Amino acid sequence: KQEVTQIPAALSVPEGENLVLNCSFTDSAIYNLQWFRQDPGKGLTSLLLIQSSQREQTSGRLNASLDKSSGRSTLYIAASQPGDSATYLCAAAMDSSYKLIFGSGTRLLVRP
Amino acid sequence: GAVVSQHPSWVICKSGTSVKIECRSLDFQATTMFWYRQFPKQSLMLMATSNEGSKATYEQGVEKDKFLINHASLTLSTLTVTSAHPEDSSFYICSARRDGQEQFFGPGTRLTVL
Repeated sequence: KQEVTQIPAALSVPEGENLVLNCSFTDSAIYNLQWFRQDPGKGLTSLLLIQSSQREQTSGRLNASLDKSSGRSTLYIAASQPGDSATYLCAAAMDSSYKLIFGSGTRLLVRP
Repeated sequence: GAVVSQHPSWVICKSGTSVKIECRSLDFQATTMFWYRQFPKQSLMLMATSNEGSKATYEQGVEKDKFLINHASLTLSTLTVTSAHPEDSSFYICSARRDGQEQFFGPGTRLTVL
């Protein structure tokens, strides 16, 4: 059974710092991995999707990498801003149904 | 972009009543829709997978007679919580998938059962 873990559970950084959020999964046979952002009381915003054949994806200040062999993905946020404060969730799709298994999330606070 | 809406955004109901939540893909046809629930400060748990015109597939431990899912068209899926009780109070989120692999999520529905 696939398990997705995210560390750290919470992170507080000053504005401008570069930071890395970690996501690990126990079963490397994934179809894809997605990173999401969730603001309090809101739904999820898709940030990046990495196909199983890809190693990384970039969008603006965000870069996500995928290493299936080690069961890890990282989300790199460059030059963090207070507006980046949110909970970041990673999720793995395990089969052709594309059902997502979510990690528990990292709550990020970027201090002005 | 791909926009998914949910209605209502929040609902308060009395114990024993039924509540229907709609999930719509506004600018694309969704091959599959998914329903999740999220408890405070916890992650999302998949409840069921819904394909247009067929019965929903429920995850282990989810009561299909309590959480009725209807996927009437490629742009609309509904979740009905029947005979709701306080323990059903939660944040319910749907997502929709196009032909590609990416899922797009709705804004969620906050259900409070008194």
